[in-house]
Amino acid sequence: DQQVKQNSPSLSVQEGRISILNCDYTNSMFDYFLWYKKYPAEGPTFLISISSIKDKNEDGRFTVFLNKSAKHLSLHIVPSQPGDSAVYFCAAGGHGSSNTGKLIFGQGTTLQVKP
Amino acid sequence: NAGVTQTPKFQVLKTGQSMTLQCAQDMNHEYMSWYRQDPGMGLRLIHYSVGAGITDQGEVPNGYNVSRSTTEDFPLRLLSAAPSQTSVYFCASRSQGGSGANVLTFGAGSRLTVL
Repeated sequence: DQQVKQNSPSLSVQEGRISILNCDYTNSMFDYFLWYKKYPAEGPTFLISISSIKDKNEDGRFTVFLNKSAKHLSLHIVPSQPGDSAVYFCAAGGHGSSNTGKLIFGQGTTLQVKP
Repeated sequence: NAGVTQTPKFQVLKTGQSMTLQCAQDMNHEYMSWYRQDPGMGLRLIHYSVGAGITDQGEVPNGYNVSRSTTEDFPLRLLSAAPSQTSVYFCASRSQGGSGANVLTFGAGSRLTVL
């Protein structure tokens, strides 16, 4: 049972345009969500996060939106740059006793930004 | 500050052999975890630990053992390797409280092939 799902394995966009990566979750006990970026042969690196008490968090070119009623979050990258080409993972976690703070990851979306 | 260090980076095993993937962190993080990354499956949690002497199972624990005798180290043991354990393994850690407590810091990964 996949609690965090990224249904688009890949996404290709033109440099300068917007990239939108999507993520759905099933566990309503999750109370924080993160996006990680991964380059080949490297470990994932933290990109941006959002608490369940917010619906938007922005950091430079990156914005994460959370829709709790739909159990859906998205990452917007504007403008997209060729260096953004990587695999993006969304992750969810909770502080409740049933979660003990562990993070559950989605399958990842490979973003290609074409010059 | 080395962060999270994983060894070895690459390993080839024969079916039935045993080995230990090493993970060490120098950030005094209480929480440590192991993930495996497989195509189309994303990052799946194997085992995790919230402190020295405490370990628990994640999503895919079968075939793996862990122990946490010190805060710094969290080795992952494969007692009898199987081809299904061919994967890239990531160790990750984070603090249990304070700002940024939800953010995992990952190692560079260990690529394991079981023949």
